[in-house]
Amino acid sequence: DVKVTQSSRYLVKRTGEKVFLECVQDMDHENMFWYRQDPGLGLRLIYFSYDVKMKEKGDIPEGYSVSREKKERFSLILESASTNQTSMYLCASSRPTLDEQFFGPGTRLTVL
Amino acid sequence: AQKITQTQPGMFVQEKEAVTLDCTYDTSDQSYGLFWYKQPSSGEMIFLIYQGSYDEQNATEGRYSLNFQKARKSANLVISASQLGDSAMYFCAMRELDTGRRALTFGSGTRLQVQP
Repeated sequence: DVKVTQSSRYLVKRTGEKVFLECVQDMDHENMFWYRQDPGLGLRLIYFSYDVKMKEKGDIPEGYSVSREKKERFSLILESASTNQTSMYLCASSRPTLDEQFFGPGTRLTVL
Repeated sequence: AQKITQTQPGMFVQEKEAVTLDCTYDTSDQSYGLFWYKQPSSGEMIFLIYQGSYDEQNATEGRYSLNFQKARKSANLVISASQLGDSAMYFCAMRELDTGRRALTFGSGTRLQVQP
């Protein structure tokens, strides 16, 4: 059973903290993505990676960075968390072809 | 302009009836793909169905079918014989191949509630 896993389902952090969200996939996919989901806005792309150490900014990269040191792992980093980063974060992976993306269960982050 | 528009924030349907969820898209690419995902209250995104821009036939997957009208740029999801377990958020998404964008662009979603 193919899987994308995320390190936490729920996370509560304080303003100014550094936050790491981890995502691991076991499908040997080249592409990995981080989305943010907010009510009424759907999913918006933060960053994606198409290979180890390769990354590209998505539509809303401000306040975020990413790291991909191994093919199966893609990390989202909030250098200094702010309350407007309270959201649901979804990780996904896919092959380079026009296939569906497989999603993790999501991390609901609250920044106080 | 919105790339993906879902105009129905919420929909109700009676169990066993069919329901159509609307999706229109905007792209200048010739090659693109359209996807529908389901998100239950548990939060995971479940892939339902895919339609390629060059596919001549509408895609079908069990009780799900995609009503693809290319000229109108619409890709509506039809769920036949609704079940209580179909209650969820539904997202339409697009990937544009000509521009090389690897990620999906999502609509704002439609919340479907199936009533007994």
